Amino acid sequence: QSALTQPASVSGSPGQSIAISCTGTSSDVGGYNYVSWYQQHPGKAPKLMIYGVSNRPSGVSNRFSGSKSGDTASLTISGLQAEDEADYYCSSYTSSSTLVFGGGTKLTVL
Amino acid sequence: QVQLVQSGAEVKKPGASVKVSCKASGYTFTSYDINWVRQATGQGLEWMGWMNPNSGNTGFAQKFQGRVTMTRSTSISTAYMELSSLTSEDTAVYYCAREPLGIGIQEFDYWGQGTQVTVSP
Repeated sequence: QSALTQPASVSGSPGQSIAISCTGTSSDVGGYNYVSWYQQHPGKAPKLMIYGVSNRPSGVSNRFSGSKSGDTASLTISGLQAEDEADYYCSSYTSSSTLVFGGGTKLTVL
Repeated sequence: QVQLVQSGAEVKKPGASVKVSCKASGYTFTSYDINWVRQATGQGLEWMGWMNPNSGNTGFAQKFQGRVTMTRSTSISTAYMELSSLTSEDTAVYYCAREPLGIGIQEFDYWGQGTQVTVSP
């Protein structure tokens, strides 16, 4: 199972909005609504930011939102803040009854 | 509050095995699956497999089939992941993560703090 495809890096200025894409196939992203997004700061464990494509866990800012179209899911962060600078990973359930992660995207807040 | 507390760092020789523990608290241990995810230094997340603490059923990524074992002790709310035939490529931080029961593998809402496993001659 190949990793989902994410851009290696994205950047934005404080207050701006950015989007991170996560491209898979009909056997994973396109076939199931089990796409999640995780934020990871250096030296820390990942933190769940979005689950079920577009659901936010309690306590996660509403500046984070998720969506999906076909085989590509997206995480959008609006009103960028310095604390959003981190690595972001998508994940999806697959038709092989396994889970696959994206390669990760480094977000830089300029 | 929900917590997953993992065992400490390990240094192993090539060919050896390592067993990492993950002690759960703050919720009913048998009501959520436990998954294991690893991350080599500077690299991305890699899913290894899942275990249902109630039934003991497991599922693994093909890459780890035959080399990984996931077990539990319900009396002490602890999950274990054992990886055998270690090579330098297994040097990584290993995380346990909680997943709601249901169809498929969904989201991981709580994570352990990670356990560094270093494989060195």
